[in-house]
Amino acid sequence: SQQGEEDPQALSIQEGENATMNCSYKTSINNLQWYRQNSGRGLVHLILIRSNEREKHSGRLRVTLDTSKKSSSLLITASRAADTASYFCATDHSGGYQKVTFGTGTKLQVIP
Amino acid sequence: EAQVTQNPRYLITVTGKKLTVTCSQNMNHEYMSWYRQDPGLGLRQIYYSMNVEVTDKGDVPEGYKVSRKEKRNFPLILESPSPNQTSLYFCASKPGQAYIGGYTFGSGTRLTVV
Repeated sequence: SQQGEEDPQALSIQEGENATMNCSYKTSINNLQWYRQNSGRGLVHLILIRSNEREKHSGRLRVTLDTSKKSSSLLITASRAADTASYFCATDHSGGYQKVTFGTGTKLQVIP
Repeated sequence: EAQVTQNPRYLITVTGKKLTVTCSQNMNHEYMSWYRQDPGLGLRQIYYSMNVEVTDKGDVPEGYKVSRKEKRNFPLILESPSPNQTSLYFCASKPGQAYIGGYTFGSGTRLTVV
């Protein structure tokens, strides 16, 4: 079953602008991860935020997590054409075994 | 280079003809997993393996088999493929069940069953 739901499904911005995408999930998590996928290729891990963290940065990426609202956001600052890709959140479930469940993704287009 | 290697990259086959998609990782990872990706459905887990000879079903295991005889290899077997198994398949691995970090993904196998 799908755990993460990204919003929006698609996003088109101009180069240099910031891109924000959101992820909502349903049940308690250990951590939440964001991945990037260039068209038809394998996913690349971007950043992980643990359930006891509220914000994390990595280069031009900023991730926030609100466990009370069961939501996360990924902000890409000063976007570049090379950021054009699909972005997925993945939730690592709380409970007895390790399982990562992926959302349906946000397709980001950065126009040069 | 640390990587997950899937083969083949593309495959067109006919209904009912058994096929195997291979997956190999060179990072000595214990945990490996297969996903399928379909438009509007995201990635769904098919099977996973926590270590050699330890495998378990994911969310969509019907029609698939796996084996884990060696740590590095985790093949996906379709005994009798059907058109609804047309999809983009990904193998992924991580160091261990308790590892807190991301997966390393293969480049994908695009399967078409006609």
